[in-house]
Amino acid sequence: QVQLQESGPGLVKLSETLSLTCIVSGGSINSYYWTWIRQPAGKGLEWIGRIYASSGNTNYNPSLKSRVSMSVDMSKDQFSLMLTSVTAADTAMYYCARERELLRGDAFDIWGQGTMVTVSS
Amino acid sequence: DIQMTQSPSTLSASVGDRVTITCRASQSISDWLAWYQQKPGKAPKLLIYKASTLESGVPSRFSGSGSGTEFTLTISSLQPDDFATYYCQQYNDYWTFGQGTKVEIK
Repeated sequence: QVQLQESGPGLVKLSETLSLTCIVSGGSINSYYWTWIRQPAGKGLEWIGRIYASSGNTNYNPSLKSRVSMSVDMSKDQFSLMLTSVTAADTAMYYCARERELLRGDAFDIWGQGTMVTVSS
Repeated sequence: DIQMTQSPSTLSASVGDRVTITCRASQSISDWLAWYQQKPGKAPKLLIYKASTLESGVPSRFSGSGSGTEFTLTISSLQPDDFATYYCQQYNDYWTFGQGTKVEIK
């Protein structure tokens, strides 16, 4: 079955760039939208953005759009998130996930275990 | 932005209880609504999508209903494994989540 695994630095300095990668295993990265979601400790979930593996087409949360970029490397079955100019408000657990179906925006049926990112001064 | 509001924020219940959580959208989202269960230290797990469709492998004691702006998640007979936080999510226009409902032991 498809599994997702996030990786990246657990500590990022204030005003620098957060970079995370999600590896897809057990299935094809093709023909799905792949997404990033974050969750500050003790708080709710926030959708960051998504990328369609086959075309690289992206959609971003308007509140983060100026600082977010996503990319995909199909040869490695992985996709990535970059978030620039981080502040303490970006400290959170970051999850990657898969959208159920391609036809329209959909729910997220497979999630990674998450990776904690702390922004330090 | 579509805002999602869940009630209650916390719910105390006993094993065997029937539990209902409500989610309201700030504008109509048709039936583009999902429910997730999250346990401490774990990723959310999809329970229901398209307002009422049970995800494969999810016990039938979970059910969802509603359309437009008002939705409910019902657990027909609460089991020990069900104590968790539940989130609704709209995916009609981008994706936004409710603030969560924690189901705790009474």
